[in-house]
Amino acid sequence: GQQVMQIPQYQHVQEGEDFTTYCNSSTTLSNIQWYKQRPGGHPVFLIQLVKSGEVKKQKRLTFQFGEAKKNSSLHITATQTTDVGTYFCAGPPRASNTGKLIFGQGTTLQVKP
Amino acid sequence: DAGVTQSPTHLIKTRGQQVTLRCSPKSGHDTVSWYQQALGQGPQFIFQYYEEEERQRGNFPDRFSGHQFPNYSSELNVNALLLGDSALYLCASDPGQGLGYTFGSGTRLTVV
Repeated sequence: GQQVMQIPQYQHVQEGEDFTTYCNSSTTLSNIQWYKQRPGGHPVFLIQLVKSGEVKKQKRLTFQFGEAKKNSSLHITATQTTDVGTYFCAGPPRASNTGKLIFGQGTTLQVKP
Repeated sequence: DAGVTQSPTHLIKTRGQQVTLRCSPKSGHDTVSWYQQALGQGPQFIFQYYEEEERQRGNFPDRFSGHQFPNYSSELNVNALLLGDSALYLCASDPGQGLGYTFGSGTRLTVV
């Protein structure tokens, strides 16, 4: 079945350093969504990308959707301690119109002050 | 305030018992999805309810069942609990295209 993989699994950075997490799907995605889950919390929606090659920015966060719509990345510039958490990418199965999402296993970011 | 309300927040059950988890979606959202999140993993889709019917189901055994009420609230039932059912159970409602899921705070189920 369809799989969504994320790398790295963990990342420790010094505050102020940049961070990137990569997401790869075994099949073409109609869209890719990103969520952030703080320790002990629940996933919170960050953004959805739909178009091939799309790039969106939210302050220090930059999201990209690959040309083949099978991969995506999230880049954080100048990390802050508030960026700590696990970042998940998720996409719908092929030909699904029910809203089901397949999540990656997440990248956990630790930021040292 | 997540907008999606789940109860209870924590639960401890014994193997073989049955459990019911509850979810009230965000106001105006008529679609409810349930996810299971094991420690250190991403959420896994259990099923989705729309108009009081199960619209799609993930790879979970029949021990997992659900229901949606006319007010769009939903229940997740798990029978014959196993130790491996210990996880965070998340309910999510979907406002429509492009706005992503709104997740509740979850129910942490521990099976002993």
